[in-house]
Amino acid sequence: NAGVTQTPKFQVLKTGQSMTLQCAQDMNHNSMYWYRQDPGMGLRLIYYSASEGTTDKGEVPNGYNVSRLNKREFSLRLESAAPSQTSVYFCASSETRYYGYTFGSGTRLTVV
Amino acid sequence: KNEVEQSPQNLTAQEGEFITINCSYSVGISALHWLQQHPGGGIVSLFMLSSGKKKHGRLIATINIQEKHSSLHITASHPRDSAVYICAVRPGETSGSRLTFGEGTQLTVNP
Repeated sequence: NAGVTQTPKFQVLKTGQSMTLQCAQDMNHNSMYWYRQDPGMGLRLIYYSASEGTTDKGEVPNGYNVSRLNKREFSLRLESAAPSQTSVYFCASSETRYYGYTFGSGTRLTVV
Repeated sequence: KNEVEQSPQNLTAQEGEFITINCSYSVGISALHWLQQHPGGGIVSLFMLSSGKKKHGRLIATINIQEKHSSLHITASHPRDSAVYICAVRPGETSGSRLTFGEGTQLTVNP
């Protein structure tokens, strides 16, 4: 089925470890996003890529890096994980012209 | 104050009841989204609005641009409607399609 695929679905890291969250979409969308969702707060934008070859910071970029590898793939990297990065991470994509949004199923990350 | 405010935060209803969830925002927007999130599940886009009203099955979404307000209505509610409903806006002045989200409304429909 067409959509946004995120991997992994669950991950436990120790403080200081690094990891990359993968995201791929097959809808030929230009824009891709990484959000985090924490209890009692709305989703917050970490980084986004308006088009292939560009990336920009969102509201909460500290501690993260991203790579827009090609039009399909947008990865999120935690270089040195901290307990404050325990969260559920969602990747999303949109077709700018029509503003339609599609979300991945989420990655539940725990940093101990 | 958040740019997007939803009310109520929590809502419990009996099966069959008519439900309304409200969303107010403080910025100019080019579009407003209503999203649904089931427990442990992903996020599904229900509606995208820039004016007027949209209907899909038992769900109706309305928006009043002048009053900066939107409502999501569920008619003949059912336990399977239990989920978190999230309002999100696309600020008109930003590039791309970034969204600003409300905190969500937890809806529980009891049989």
